[in-house]
Amino acid sequence: QKEVEQNSGPLSVPEGAIASLNCTYSDRVSQSFFWYRQYSGKSPELIMSIYSNGDKEDGRFTAQLNKASQYVSLLIRDSQPSDSATYLCAVREAGANNLFFGTGTRLTVIP
Amino acid sequence: DVKVTQSSRYLVKRTGEKVFLECVQDMDHENMFWYRQDPGLGLRLIYFSYDVKMKEKGDIPEGYSVSREKKERFSLILESASTNQTSMYLCASSTGQGREQYFGPGTRLTVT
Repeated sequence: QKEVEQNSGPLSVPEGAIASLNCTYSDRVSQSFFWYRQYSGKSPELIMSIYSNGDKEDGRFTAQLNKASQYVSLLIRDSQPSDSATYLCAVREAGANNLFFGTGTRLTVIP
Repeated sequence: DVKVTQSSRYLVKRTGEKVFLECVQDMDHENMFWYRQDPGLGLRLIYFSYDVKMKEKGDIPEGYSVSREKKERFSLILESASTNQTSMYLCASSTGQGREQYFGPGTRLTVT
């Protein structure tokens, strides 16, 4: 059984701080990694994808991937109250069409 | 922009009824997926389809069936709804390479 683990939180950070969200996965052949944001009562929205080791930046978001250690993280700089949501990590193994999702980390940004 | 739509946002059905949930995507994606999401359990894959008339069971297919007669449309069928099928149902689609999935708005189904 492939596993994607996330700390369920809640993670609370003050407005303007850096929020750090972590995800570990069990399958060494996992190839693609995604972060989704889900507001309460809404569906998941893709915010970042990363496929190779290292950092990928998009605005205030940075995804970090370390395949040797089997973890992927998401940094949110200058956190805003509108970033308060649950963040889902998802991984895809090579050759597969489906994704495996973690249960999510709930982030609260305090004004 | 990718658009995935679902037939209903909220649905209330009685135990034993046959329930149809429909999903349509407008980006010519090969893959389509049905998930359910419950508090503490995360997203669980029910079925997915990688082509018209093709389907694969996910992690929790029991009590469900699917239909994909056209590329853009993927239907989830609850043959005889039960109270333990009360949940948020999410449809998603992706390209044939199985990269990022795009989700519809979800259907919150209540079975009484």
